[in-house]
Amino acid sequence: GENVEQHPSTLSVQEGDSAVIKCTYSDSASNYFPWYKQELGKRPQLIIDIRSNVGEKKDQRIAVTLNKTAKHFSLHITETQPEDSAVYFCAASNNNAGNMLTFGGGTRLMVKP
Amino acid sequence: DTEVTQTPKHLVMGMTNKKSLKCEQHMGHRAMYWYKQKAKKPPELMFVYSYEKLSINESVPSRFSPECPNSSLLNLHLHALQPEDSALYLCASSQVGGGDEQYFGPGTRLTVT
Repeated sequence: GENVEQHPSTLSVQEGDSAVIKCTYSDSASNYFPWYKQELGKRPQLIIDIRSNVGEKKDQRIAVTLNKTAKHFSLHITETQPEDSAVYFCAASNNNAGNMLTFGGGTRLMVKP
Repeated sequence: DTEVTQTPKHLVMGMTNKKSLKCEQHMGHRAMYWYKQKAKKPPELMFVYSYEKLSINESVPSRFSPECPNSSLLNLHLHALQPEDSALYLCASSQVGGGDEQYFGPGTRLTVT
């Protein structure tokens, strides 16, 4: 089955700095890679996703890059704000084999004002 | 309506009790999921329903029994649980097929005493 590893497990940045979170996956058939943000006591919410036919996607301060050959993808947050503080999960799915998301272990991002 | 709702929000039950968790969505999604999330860990997939039929069971113990009575509702029946089953139980829904966002409910915080 799929295995997703995520690094770092914790990340502390100063407000205004950039944050980068990296994930690797094992199943070369995976073709959908969402990123979820989960604030304390709340539900995971999708912030951005990328499909395997695209190398990069950007939405305002958030961008995701995908390297299929190396089987890794990354989340980039620019101009971080205190409200970006949360746990971020990457995930991978092979949607030709069912709607199963395999999550990475999570990154606790702390943005210091 | 782009929301998944779950009841109850909190549940405390003894090891001999029988209880049920409920999930509802009105987005026309035909795939629904149960996840278990322990503190500081990612969500772990338990069950997937596709077109109201159980399509994936991730080797979950039989003390957890899912039910999908119609396309909008998903239940999780609980019986003879163990203290280690205490966790946040998340429901999610999505379109069936490739690369579609899974919308998560707020979860039920379950404590087994």
